Amino acid sequence: ELKVEQNPLFLSMQEGKNYTIYCNYSTTSDRLYWYRQDPGKSLESLFVLLSNGAVKQEGRLMASLDTKARLSTLHITAAVHDLSATYFCAVLTGTASKLTFGTGTRLQVTL
Amino acid sequence: DAGVIQSPRHEVTEMGQEVTLRCKPISGHDYLFWYRQTMMRGLELLIYFNNNVPIDDSGMPEDRFSAKMPNASFSTLKIQPSEPRDSAVYFCASSLTSTAPGELFFGEGSRLTVL
Repeated sequence: ELKVEQNPLFLSMQEGKNYTIYCNYSTTSDRLYWYRQDPGKSLESLFVLLSNGAVKQEGRLMASLDTKARLSTLHITAAVHDLSATYFCAVLTGTASKLTFGTGTRLQVTL
Repeated sequence: DAGVIQSPRHEVTEMGQEVTLRCKPISGHDYLFWYRQTMMRGLELLIYFNNNVPIDDSGMPEDRFSAKMPNASFSTLKIQPSEPRDSAVYFCASSLTSTAPGELFFGEGSRLTVL
């Protein structure tokens, strides 16, 4: 059974600081997604990482993928309050579009 | 594009009652997913359809749960009878595998409370 684990589960950080969220998964996959969920809202796709070594950046967020280590990271640079949300990684398995989500990391950026 | 539309947004019901959640996927998408989100268990995939055909329902917790997709623009998730432990947010999502497999577009969710 595929397991997708994130750490930390909860992260409180001050504005302007940098931090990294980690996503480990237990089976081979060449496609990994990061999603964002604001409190009480739906999930929104942020990044898709398609191959080993892939790196995507948008604004203060940068995601990377190491398929050999089965690890993805989401790096936050100079955090701002608007980044406060829960971030999920999700791994695609099989030939279908079946995504298995990680546990989520709740990020709180304080002023 | 209206996105994935779910109804109702909120439902409060009593134990034993039947609950029906509805979903309209994005037009043209070929996959439809039902997820359940709780604090304890996170996001769980319940069932998904490809071109209206159920592909994998291994996540459906019990026989009390059933899902249908009678056509490409409509799906239902039914719980009968409902129990307090079914209280959760139920998300419907759709995707277009030919261009972006795994990139799911989620609805706003249906928050279910079973008393």
